[in-house]
Amino acid sequence: DAKTTQPPSMDCAEGRAANLPCNHSTISGNEYVYWYRQIHSQGPQYIIHGLKNNETNEMASLIITEDRKSSTLILPHATLRDTAVYYCIVRPRSNDYKLSFGAGTTVTVRA
Amino acid sequence: KAGVTQTPRYLIKTRGQQVTLSCSPISGHRSVSWYQQTPGQGLQFLFEYFSETQRNKGNFPGRFSGRQFSNSRSEMNVSTLELGDSALYLCASSLGELTNYGYTFGSGTRLTVV
Repeated sequence: DAKTTQPPSMDCAEGRAANLPCNHSTISGNEYVYWYRQIHSQGPQYIIHGLKNNETNEMASLIITEDRKSSTLILPHATLRDTAVYYCIVRPRSNDYKLSFGAGTTVTVRA
Repeated sequence: KAGVTQTPRYLIKTRGQQVTLSCSPISGHRSVSWYQQTPGQGLQFLFEYFSETQRNKGNFPGRFSGRQFSNSRSEMNVSTLELGDSALYLCASSLGELTNYGYTFGSGTRLTVV
């Protein structure tokens, strides 16, 4: 599986956009980029995923660079409830029935 | 609809004992995966089941085992517990199709081995 690199932590002001970067320079053509988050003491929560086009849902937007070597998760209006560990995962679209979690980015939203 | 249900939420066991954890997936989901989360190793994949068959297995000793029933409910068992098995055990379910839109996780079972 392609590996991902994320900053260990970042702060964000409440109400502002939070931009979370992820590097996946060894990603291959059949691998998707997934984002999950884990709020303290809960199970991880699916946020969004994409292959090469930008994606948006009710939670966030995912911007993938044209060469697909990096991506950015955007939380448009961060709230205190968005404080969590965010995981960027590269997953092949094949019979690979697992998620390989890294250390993730600890995002702290401050009032 | 109901989410992924894991029981029990908390468990305390003694070294050498065995433990069985249960997971009920979302209705209609046929794939169940198990993960172990510890402060030192993070989230690690244990195994995945689909239609009562194990499709993938992580790098854990044979003391860790699982199974899935015909109603898609799953159990995992850890025998001869060690102190290092203390962790949050998470279960996740999905439709099982290759183009699924992500896994839904339960809240986990917190196992403490003393």
